[in-house]
Amino acid sequence: QQPVQSPQAVILREGEDAVINCSSSKALYSVHWYRQKHGEAPVFLMILLKGGEQKGHEKISASFNEKKQQSSLYLTASQLSYSGTYFCGTVDTGTASKLTFGTGTRLQVTL
Amino acid sequence: DGGITQSPKYLFRKEGQNVTLSCEQNLNHDAMYWYRQDPGQGLRLIYYSQIVNDFQKGDIAEGYSVSREKKESFPLTVTSAQKNPTAFYLCASSKGNLGGSGNTIYFGEGSWLTVV
Repeated sequence: QQPVQSPQAVILREGEDAVINCSSSKALYSVHWYRQKHGEAPVFLMILLKGGEQKGHEKISASFNEKKQQSSLYLTASQLSYSGTYFCGTVDTGTASKLTFGTGTRLQVTL
Repeated sequence: DGGITQSPKYLFRKEGQNVTLSCEQNLNHDAMYWYRQDPGQGLRLIYYSQIVNDFQKGDIAEGYSVSREKKESFPLTVTSAQKNPTAFYLCASSKGNLGGSGNTIYFGEGSWLTVV
């Protein structure tokens, strides 16, 4: 069963903040975040490991709550370039060899 | 430059035909993956391989076949048994096993397959 992301879609004005959530029904080793622009391949943003620290990447950061099997991606002071679809991918402790992607969150940043 | 090369970028398939999508990587990665993405949808795993001459079915393997004869190559064949193959196909690779290792997967540019 794939992870569930929320919200499904969000529209922001440039400079606003957003939070994207990813929830799994399984115990996880890691959570991986990607951004995909229309017609292109997903691009890796960051990875969060079980027992690891919160990660940050410029104005994009993420957290991982292992007990709740949830992760959140934080986008601050959004830019037009942040537009795209965000996917979380999870590696669960039962099948450590594969990455299962979430349902996706479509983010649009406007002027 | 190191990376993952998929070809062709666009492919048209007639009903009843088998087609093969190529995926080559020069990153010296051990593991390779194939995902399918339908328009406006998420990514679903077709097959994956952690070492040469070994591969496992993913979540939607029916109607597809793969081989892993060389470390750098992982071609995907879409057979006539796949009834609805029109989709965006993404090949990916990772340095090693995922688990809690810190390894992640990187994607090629993708191949668009359309049934005509």
